[in-house]
Amino acid sequence: GQNIDQPTEMTATEGAIVQINCTYQTSGFNGLFWYQQHAGEAPTFLSYNVLDGLEEKGRFSSFLSRSKGYSYLLLKELQMKDSASYLCAVRDSNYQLIWGAGTKQIIKP
Amino acid sequence: IAGITQAPTSQILAAGRRMTLRCTQDMRHNAMYWYRQDLGLGLRLIHYSNTAGTTGKGEVPDGYSVSRANTDDFPLTLASAVPSQTSVYFCASSDGDSNGYTFGSGTRLTVV
Repeated sequence: GQNIDQPTEMTATEGAIVQINCTYQTSGFNGLFWYQQHAGEAPTFLSYNVLDGLEEKGRFSSFLSRSKGYSYLLLKELQMKDSASYLCAVRDSNYQLIWGAGTKQIIKP
Repeated sequence: IAGITQAPTSQILAAGRRMTLRCTQDMRHNAMYWYRQDLGLGLRLIHYSNTAGTTGKGEVPDGYSVSRANTDDFPLTLASAVPSQTSVYFCASSDGDSNGYTFGSGTRLTVV
């Protein structure tokens, strides 16, 4: 079967750095996405990785290792507005997105 | 309209009633999707459409039907609602590139 694993919840302090891990086992691989979802709102696109390595986009970076079935989302200089759930999703061989359950990121002042 | 519009925003529905959730996009995306999101679970695909005139079943299609008469609209129908269909429903669209999916704001449905 297909599976995406992420931690359920993480806590960090404002201004800190946090790394949210995602491991996956899917039928084929055609890219990995990270989405941010604030409570009561729709998911919004953060990043896309299809090749191994680090993609940096401002305070957010995403890393991919296809051989390990592993990705992480790095959030730097945490702000209170970063309190949200972060969803990892893999596009499989049928070009369908398989979603993790999401990681709720709590940020304390 | 900018992006994807879903209606209604929320609804309380009596069990056994029929209900259609509406979804309209103005981005001319070929692919559209319906997901449900339940606490503690990832987004689960109900039905999808890769292009106007075609539809396919996702992970949890039972009790739901869709149609795709044109590029912009992708309604989801619950023929006879049951309490287990209480959920938040998201419509999404994609142009297939690296930008992933664009989501509507969701419909919160409660079946009682």
